[in-house]
Amino acid sequence: GAGVSQSPRYKVAKRGQDVALRCDPISGHVSLFWYQQALGQGPEFLTYFQNEAQLDKSGLPSDRFFAERPEGSVSTLKIQRTQQEDSAVYLCASSPDRDTYEQYFGPGTRLTVT
Amino acid sequence: AQTVTQSQPEMSVQEAETVTLSCTYDTSESNYYLFWYKQPPSRQMILVIRQEAYKQQNATENRFSVNFQKAAKSFSLKISDSQLGDTAMYFCAFMKPPRQLIQGAQKLVFGQGTRLTINP
Repeated sequence: GAGVSQSPRYKVAKRGQDVALRCDPISGHVSLFWYQQALGQGPEFLTYFQNEAQLDKSGLPSDRFFAERPEGSVSTLKIQRTQQEDSAVYLCASSPDRDTYEQYFGPGTRLTVT
Repeated sequence: AQTVTQSQPEMSVQEAETVTLSCTYDTSESNYYLFWYKQPPSRQMILVIRQEAYKQQNATENRFSVNFQKAAKSFSLKISDSQLGDTAMYFCAFMKPPRQLIQGAQKLVFGQGTRLTINP
């Protein structure tokens, strides 16, 4: 079946612009995670949804970052007034159930803020 | 807070050789999950192997195996008979178990990664 998809794959934004990054999880997956991966670093947790409920947003770096998953499937990560330090790859992952705890990752969106 | 450390930024071996990637972590939890993920240049993160801390037996998946030393908080990955397709970034990751059974997977805490190159 289809894996986790993300769009766009690449995004270039001028400093101060708003951006929206989309994640389509694997159908039926309850949990959805967003991670931020700076160049040459490991991914860092941003936020987590179980169905439509955002259960943990402790990793969001500022109030310019906002995520939603209104119907418990597709999720959008929005960054307002982008700054150069927001340049990174944004990874989305979904997880099917409570037994395996495996997270399935999408290909990521590379955001470059100029 | 949990931390994960990978002390080898880069490694390089010849095809068919065996290579071991190191990972240490810090936690006060008694039960948890450990993972090795592979990230090739295409960026798609792929699970290689997982280990539950309460299991004493080391996990194995074909050419991939782990050496889990709970007391030392060490979780190394061994790749046997390495292949060109194993070239990638490898990340060690830690996950706390959910506090309630109805909860699912929890956030992953990743190490900095090891860039592994398999040479022909």
